[in-house]
Amino acid sequence: GNSVTQMEGPVTLSEEAFLTINCTYTATGYPSLFWYVQYPGEGLQLLLKATKADDKGSNKGFEATYRKETTSFHLEKGSVQVSDSAVYFCALSDSQAGTALIFGKGTTLSVSS
Amino acid sequence: NAGVTQTPKFQVLKTGQSMTLQCAQDMNHNSMYWYRQDPGMGLRLIYYSASEGTTDKGEVPNGYNVSRLNKREFSLRLESAAPSQTSVYFCASSVTMNTEAFFGQGTRLTVV
Repeated sequence: GNSVTQMEGPVTLSEEAFLTINCTYTATGYPSLFWYVQYPGEGLQLLLKATKADDKGSNKGFEATYRKETTSFHLEKGSVQVSDSAVYFCALSDSQAGTALIFGKGTTLSVSS
Repeated sequence: NAGVTQTPKFQVLKTGQSMTLQCAQDMNHNSMYWYRQDPGMGLRLIYYSASEGTTDKGEVPNGYNVSRLNKREFSLRLESAAPSQTSVYFCASSVTMNTEAFFGQGTRLTVV
């Protein structure tokens, strides 16, 4: 079946540091891939997405590239800010399987000034 | 510009009580979902509705029922609440099953 694996957290960084959160997936079809962000006390918000291999999703300085050969969709940001502190979720949807979004367990990012 | 609206935001139940969580979306989406979020577990799918008139079980459906009342509304019912159902519940909707989902603000439920 389909699944998403994210790196364990928490990730603790200083302001302006480089961020990578690893995400790998298993899918039987041709999934779309997503990163969601959850700020404290709020629901999930879509951060970026990619719908086919080699697509790069980007938003608010975050980027992720859909790598079919390594089944990965790692999240990166060149210079994090305190306001980026949140929980980040990698997710996939598989149109062939007709499944709802499947989420990883989430990675907590804490950025200090 | 409401998006996905969940009610209530907070609820405390006693073991054995019943309640219904309400969800409505104003984006004309076809698909709707209920997830629960627990520490260290991520989001787990309880039930979903691919389109109006259909509902299906997700990963953790036991102890829950759902109703797709119309295209806008998708409710989640706990018939006899148990402490294991203490969680944060999120409703979400999407245009179709394989597109990005939009989430409500969540309902924090405590069962004592």
